[in-house]
Amino acid sequence: GAVVSQHPSWVICKSGTSVKIECRSLDFQATTMFWYRQFPKQSLMLMATSNEGSKATYEQGVEKDKFLINHASLTLSTLTVTSAHPEDSSFYICSATGGEETQYFGPGTRLLVL
Amino acid sequence: GENVEQHPSTLSVQEGDSAVIKCTYSDSASNYFPWYKQELGKGPQLIIDIRSNVGEKKDQRIAVTLNKTAKHFSLHITETQPEDSAVYFCAASKGYSTLTFGKGTMLLVSP
Repeated sequence: GAVVSQHPSWVICKSGTSVKIECRSLDFQATTMFWYRQFPKQSLMLMATSNEGSKATYEQGVEKDKFLINHASLTLSTLTVTSAHPEDSSFYICSATGGEETQYFGPGTRLLVL
Repeated sequence: GENVEQHPSTLSVQEGDSAVIKCTYSDSASNYFPWYKQELGKGPQLIIDIRSNVGEKKDQRIAVTLNKTAKHFSLHITETQPEDSAVYFCAASKGYSTLTFGKGTMLLVSP
């Protein structure tokens, strides 16, 4: 149980384009979903927290107009990187909770912006 | 806010040895402490967690201990195997709030 999927697993895009990443909880209802960014050999950096049907709460320093988060249902959250630039290249990971403290992570999405 | 320190940053052991990773936290109100294993190119996988009303928890070769007074918790892996090689992260949170992660420990188990 407690499986979280992400799609796509990797994506390459041109600078200036937008990229959407999906995060799904497959076998539970996710009341809260989190989006993280991870640079090589570093820890996870929380970008934002989203609750179903509410606006996401962004961490300090994260541009909400650049990283659009939508949590439209209890099983799906999306992260859209708008007007992507090479510095946005990173490993993006989502996690989800079903009303408890435990966060279950997705497999991650590797984004490369050329 | 919460601050989690994790040591060591790298740990090399021989297969069959034990491995111990230690974390300290700063906020005495933190009450939930999970440990995650992350293999290269993959998302973190929860391997064990402990809540503040418990001092120790064990699951086969993995155990976690918590010392609330000293504000530190440790991961113990016995009889290590090459497939245990990965990066391990500790984390802390207060109830249902966000997790604060340590910087990670790269564990290398040599055959």
